[in-house]
Amino acid sequence: GAGVSQSPSNKVTEKGKDVELRCDPISGHTALYWYRQSLGQGLEFLIYFQGNSAPDKSGLPSDRFSAERTGGSVSTLTIQRTQQEDSAVYLCASSRDYGTETQYFGPGTRLLVL
Amino acid sequence: AQSVTQPDIHITVSEGASLELRCNYSYGATPYLFWYVQSPGQGLQLLLKYFSGDTLVQGIKGFEAEFKRSQSSFNLRKPSVHWSDAAEYFCAVTGTASKLTFGTGTRLQVTL
Repeated sequence: GAGVSQSPSNKVTEKGKDVELRCDPISGHTALYWYRQSLGQGLEFLIYFQGNSAPDKSGLPSDRFSAERTGGSVSTLTIQRTQQEDSAVYLCASSRDYGTETQYFGPGTRLLVL
Repeated sequence: AQSVTQPDIHITVSEGASLELRCNYSYGATPYLFWYVQSPGQGLQLLLKYFSGDTLVQGIKGFEAEFKRSQSSFNLRKPSVHWSDAAEYFCAVTGTASKLTFGTGTRLQVTL
């Protein structure tokens, strides 16, 4: 079946602008995760959603970052007032359930803030 | 807090040679361990995982890893490397909290 998809694949924006990154998880997967991959910080967890439970936002680096998941499926990661240090690859993953289920990753969105 | 150390940033091996990538973890309880591979411009692909049971885990593409609790290690091995194995490899750990903690990665170069 289809894997995790993300859009756009690349995004170039100007400092101070807002951006939205989209993730479509694998159908039927109840858990969805966002990670960020950058040269300085490596791969780091941002946020995850599990079903109707409150999301775990413990990895979000600042209040400029937010995410939502509508209808238990598609998720959008929003970065407000982007800064150059936000430049990174944003990876989305999904898994069948909470806990130790394998996470399947999408191809990522490469964000460049000028 | 959980953490993962991959001490080798870059490794070069000849095609056909054996490979071992090192991974050490820190976690207070029973860890769940993963190896992912990332080819240039691609997302992360799961190679193998350890949850419990047999400490020698077989994965895709001929890779295996061995969990050694006494050494807090989960090293990845392959008996004979192919040029297509050139990529970046990430070790990761999680507990029941789901979120993965990754190592900094090891970039593998394969010479012909």
